[in-house]
Amino acid sequence: ETGVTQSPTHLIKTRGQQVTLRCSSQSGHNTVSWYQQALGQGPQFIFQYYREEENGRGNFPPRFSGLQFPNYSSELNVNALELDDSALYLCASSRTPDGYYGYTFGSGTRLTVV
Amino acid sequence: SQQGEEDPQALSIQEGENATMNCSYKTSINNLQWYRQNSGRGLVHLILIRSNEREKHSGRLRVTLDTSKKSSSLLITASRAADTASYFCATDFPGTYKYIFGTGTRLKVLA
Repeated sequence: ETGVTQSPTHLIKTRGQQVTLRCSSQSGHNTVSWYQQALGQGPQFIFQYYREEENGRGNFPPRFSGLQFPNYSSELNVNALELDDSALYLCASSRTPDGYYGYTFGSGTRLTVV
Repeated sequence: SQQGEEDPQALSIQEGENATMNCSYKTSINNLQWYRQNSGRGLVHLILIRSNEREKHSGRLRVTLDTSKKSSSLLITASRAADTASYFCATDFPGTYKYIFGTGTRLKVLA
């Protein structure tokens, strides 16, 4: 079975621009969660999508938005980028929203905002 | 805000020794998970322990949970150089599907 694939792996954007990050979930998983990880910190929960609906959100502003598609792949969109948005963005898929069987993480997208 | 906090922040041991890292959290939980992360890339799920369980084993890993103290520990026995990584605990908020990660323990196993 294929794991979680994220694209792109690295990205450099200018402050104020918009960015879209993509994630293909593992086969058999219907839930996708997105996390932001700043250098030297633990991942911070952004939001979760289950069957194409947002299923929970962390303390992130509305300029962070997402989508989940019928094949359970997902996108994370960030508008009006700020320097503090520079981080590793991780996507994780799971069989159930509560992550009881664990989350399968992708390798992440390293976003640098200059 | 951080729910979980790992201790120690960094740990350096010799190959073959045991490594113990601890996690403390603030509110009640349903589940607690441990993850490993190599070199700032994706996280690998190690083990999940439910609030009604006290101990779980998986290969060289042993996890304990003490809900009265709101703490968990991860023991890696007979460590190997390949165990060098950052280890995170993640706790859920009951009623939500949000998992909160701690700041991690950086483990270095010297060959």
